Amino acid sequence: DIVMTQSPDSLAVSLGDTAIISCKSSQSVLSRPVNRDYVAWYQQRHGQPPRVLIYWASTRESGVPDRFSGSGSGTDFTLTISSLQAEDVAVYYCQQYYSSPLTFGGGTKVEIK
Amino acid sequence: EVQLLESGGALVQPGGSLRLSCAASGFTFSNFAMSWVRQAPGKGLEWVSGVSGSGNRPSYAESVQGRFTISRDNSNHTVYLQMNSLRAEDTAVYYCAKQNSMVTIHYFDSWGRGTLVTVSS
Repeated sequence: DIVMTQSPDSLAVSLGDTAIISCKSSQSVLSRPVNRDYVAWYQQRHGQPPRVLIYWASTRESGVPDRFSGSGSGTDFTLTISSLQAEDVAVYYCQQYYSSPLTFGGGTKVEIK
Repeated sequence: EVQLLESGGALVQPGGSLRLSCAASGFTFSNFAMSWVRQAPGKGLEWVSGVSGSGNRPSYAESVQGRFTISRDNSNHTVYLQMNSLRAEDTAVYYCAKQNSMVTIHYFDSWGRGTLVTVSS
């Protein structure tokens, strides 16, 4: 199974500042034939189901604000939230869909400082 | 608009059985794989099981293999999760999730609100 390791577990960021979340996979999730990384990022607000923010490591889902961006390739990935807003308080998860079983990172809780 | 509505969650004793349902609307159901993802209280997300758009390729997490069975009825736009031999560690909110592909190895682009399964005596 591919293990997804997120860091930090939690972080507190001032409104308007940048939050950076790391996700590392235990093996490469890059498919060289299609040159795509099989990683998605989700946001889960308190009491809500998750919603997808980013897929293919860096493609933003329709309707997601452009302050959310994804980067990385191979085994190292990053979710960046620029100009943090109050509504961004949530837990963020990375997920690999390179192989079964589908696996998630442990989550990163983002709070306002 | 995609809508996924789970039902069937309940309190059940260890060793018992339960069947969850997920009614889908707003998209061409048979064209997309569907999965169940669970979240234990205060914990992270765990993929449980998925089924391809055609219904003939189910897959399971090792933790539920042999106890849970996923199926789908494309004529009624519904996916099911039959859960047998339930254990305390199966206690969780179970989310129905649509995948952005006909195959199950893909990301989830829509989620239901979840249904709570509690396994306790």
